[in-house]
Amino acid sequence: GAVVSQHPSWVICKSGTSVKIECRSLDFQATTMFWYRQFPKQSLMLMATSNEGSKATYEQGVEKDKFLINHASLTLSTLTVTSAHPEDSSFYICSVETSGGARYEQYFGPGTRLTVT
Amino acid sequence: GENVEQHPSTLSVQEGDSAVIKCTYSDSASNYFPWYKQELGKRPQLIIDIRSNVGEKKDQRIAVTLNKTAKHFSLHITETQPEDSAVYFCAASESNMLTFGGGTRLMVKP
Repeated sequence: GAVVSQHPSWVICKSGTSVKIECRSLDFQATTMFWYRQFPKQSLMLMATSNEGSKATYEQGVEKDKFLINHASLTLSTLTVTSAHPEDSSFYICSVETSGGARYEQYFGPGTRLTVT
Repeated sequence: GENVEQHPSTLSVQEGDSAVIKCTYSDSASNYFPWYKQELGKRPQLIIDIRSNVGEKKDQRIAVTLNKTAKHFSLHITETQPEDSAVYFCAASESNMLTFGGGTRLMVKP
């Protein structure tokens, strides 16, 4: 499987500021990464699909101008939460898609806990 | 799009007993069904998966069954241990995008 890291592991920011979260694939060149959000005691909700070298594909209801995704290389995708509000407080997890032929799996990063005060 | 339902939302068993978690999916084109275990505050870890060309897969104490006709799949954990306590998520996928179930909090009482 792929080894995926995220930075930071947790962050506290003030309302109105922006926060950048990095997702790195340490041992696999990932053309596709995914960003999820998980509220306490809830399931993972896909926010967007990040494709290297192209624009991200956002899920319905996710504001692309608020959650900026950049996937500039095969090992790094970033999620920037702009003008953060308390309701953006959540656990953000990225995953890397590994595929070979018809087989694919996703490996998750350790997550970033964002608290907006 | 795909919709995945997972039951039960919480499950409490005695150590040594078996635990069964069930999921149903809506998109008949889905062909990949992974199960993840997530401990509090940590990343989901893939524990077992099954593809639509098989009906059952087993890995030590964990097994997964798939009924494509009925569009449901289940996770079976035998001889449960306290360290099995976690939240388990099923997921379904037709392409490379996963749709997750709501999760099951499993508590194994010693």
